Amino acid sequence: KAGVTQTPRYLIKTRGQQVTLSCSPISGHRSVSWYQQTPGQGLQFLFEYFSETQRNKGNFPGRFSGRQFSNSRSEMNVSTLELGDSALYLCASGTGEQNEKLFFGSGTQLSVL
Amino acid sequence: KQEVTQIPAALSVPEGENLVLNCSFTDSAIYNLQWFRQDPGKGLTSLLLIQSSQREQTSGRLNASLDKSSGRSTLYIAASQPGDSATYLCAPRDKGTYKYIFGTGTRLKVLA
Repeated sequence: KAGVTQTPRYLIKTRGQQVTLSCSPISGHRSVSWYQQTPGQGLQFLFEYFSETQRNKGNFPGRFSGRQFSNSRSEMNVSTLELGDSALYLCASGTGEQNEKLFFGSGTQLSVL
Repeated sequence: KQEVTQIPAALSVPEGENLVLNCSFTDSAIYNLQWFRQDPGKGLTSLLLIQSSQREQTSGRLNASLDKSSGRSTLYIAASQPGDSATYLCAPRDKGTYKYIFGTGTRLKVLA
């Protein structure tokens, strides 16, 4: 079956702009979580959506937001971009159960100039 | 607050060696722990998931153990190959927050 699909793969933006990233989970998976990965901070949890509801949230400012659609696809939005938002953004899909395995997409590499 | 440490941060070994990667976590209240592999600029691939009631899991040349009470997990790689070169991350699922908390990883290089 198809894996987790993230689009776009690469993105270059300037400070102050906004960006929307997309994630299509594995068919049948109802949970999508988002992570930011930087060389200095490692993998940081942004938020998790399950059945269109935000179930969990990390410690990021309100500029970072997300949503999930009825087909489980998820989008993440970052407004008023800052240089420090440059990172690899990864989404992971899962069944939403306690002992779910996480399946990651290849990520979106965002560069803010 | 759950904190995860992985030692060593980097490792370079000749092909054929058996390896042990270490992961320690500060709060033993976890549902499970996963080990992942990440190739440069790519997403993560789940290698093994150990539930909190289990002691170990095996897949091919990989064996992961979990000692929840002492907050430790190890990933054992037998007969390492150049294709094993990658960053390995562990992530316990914290009971308090329901989040997977990732370590900073061990960067492994296996020399041919």
